[in-house]
Amino acid sequence: KNQVEQSPQSLIILEGKNCTLQCNYTVSPFSNLRWYKQDTGRGPVSLTIMTFSENTKSNGRYTATLDADTKQSSLHITASQLSDSASYICVVTPIGDSWGKLQFGAGTQVVVTP
Amino acid sequence: DAGVIQSPRHEVTEMGQEVTLRCKPISGHDYLFWYRQTMMRGLELLIYFNNNVPIDDSGMPEDRFSAKMPNASFSTLKIQPSEPRDSAVYFCASSLRRGGSYEQFFGPGTRLTVL
Repeated sequence: KNQVEQSPQSLIILEGKNCTLQCNYTVSPFSNLRWYKQDTGRGPVSLTIMTFSENTKSNGRYTATLDADTKQSSLHITASQLSDSASYICVVTPIGDSWGKLQFGAGTQVVVTP
Repeated sequence: DAGVIQSPRHEVTEMGQEVTLRCKPISGHDYLFWYRQTMMRGLELLIYFNNNVPIDDSGMPEDRFSAKMPNASFSTLKIQPSEPRDSAVYFCASSLRRGGSYEQFFGPGTRLTVL
């Protein structure tokens, strides 16, 4: 069973609107949680990284939150732009910093329409 | 910096043929990773190296897959013989573990189609 579940699988939003993506994980304890943005035909690019003790991190119009008690993270996109159309992937690093144990979510496909 | 460089960007081959994917990591990075991405399974870590030494290859699907890193600036992922189920996008990523940062920088990927 995947230890990182993302929802929704996909969503369509109007340009200028806000949206929130969810990431639920069972990995525990963990070292850090990262959100990646992957444009079509390109490799993932890191948006934010949070350690287990942080509960929010921003990168421009992207804000990630983390609730270690409920094992949930969210990525909020403010005032969406057409360039935000991409897949957003949640990745959790288990404690022990073992690269081989990274847990990937399946991603949320976001489409921003004019 | 040019970032992680992968070649070829696209590869179409017939079942049974040997396929070699290439990667040049970011200069100075000490970790190199090979990933496979499919619609069904998402991103999967295949193998990673630290200072050119393979550390964990538990994600390599089977003996048909092999990876090498002869020096700090070059790595290959080879599939021999290739099968249609190997069709996927293969990413190479590199990282420098410093100061608690674990950010990986991904290349553009190689889209492999096995007919």
